[in-house]
Amino acid sequence: DQQVKQNSPSLSVQEGRISILNCDYTNSMFDYFLWYKKYPAEGPTFLISISSIKDKNEDGRFTVFLNKSAKHLSLHIVPSQPGDSAVYFCAAKYITGGGNKLTFGTGTQLKVEL
Amino acid sequence: EAGVTQFPSHSVIEKGQTVTLRCDPISGHDNLYWYRRVMGKEIKFLLHFVKESKQDESGMPNNRFLAERTGGTYSTLKVQPAELEDSGVYFCASSRGLAGPSSYEQYFGPGTRLTVT
Repeated sequence: DQQVKQNSPSLSVQEGRISILNCDYTNSMFDYFLWYKKYPAEGPTFLISISSIKDKNEDGRFTVFLNKSAKHLSLHIVPSQPGDSAVYFCAAKYITGGGNKLTFGTGTQLKVEL
Repeated sequence: EAGVTQFPSHSVIEKGQTVTLRCDPISGHDNLYWYRRVMGKEIKFLLHFVKESKQDESGMPNNRFLAERTGGTYSTLKVQPAELEDSGVYFCASSRGLAGPSSYEQYFGPGTRLTVT
């Protein structure tokens, strides 16, 4: 039973354009969401997070949007750069009673082409 | 600040053998986590230590897996005896603090790729 879903296994975008990575979740108890980036042979690296009390969080070129009613979040990268090519994982947790464990999606491979 | 380190980076063992993975968290991080990623699927939670105590081991697949965290510093994850389905990449992560956003943002090590043949 996959509680966090990333339905697009891959995405290809041209350099300078916007990359939009999507994530859906089914557990309404999730109230904190994170995006991680992973390069080959490395561990995931924390990118940006958002609490369920917000609908947007921005950090430089990265913005995460949360739509609680749709149980959907997205990560926007603009402008996309070749160094952004990596696997992006969406993760979720619930703060109250959920401990600190993260529930991950299966990841989306982003390729930014020149 | 040194990151999370894991040893070995890669291990190949035969079914039925024992393997011990080691994780050194970031210094000062009370929280230590183990996760596993199998065959390009999602990264799955195994367990969470707070200092030397197991806070949550709900993700441990069965009693062939034993995790310890000596003195609240490094951690080991032993698989005994290993089965074919245990193959995957085992990630360790750590986070600072016991509550609030600083405890949510986990820093991952590079992982140990375990292959059971």
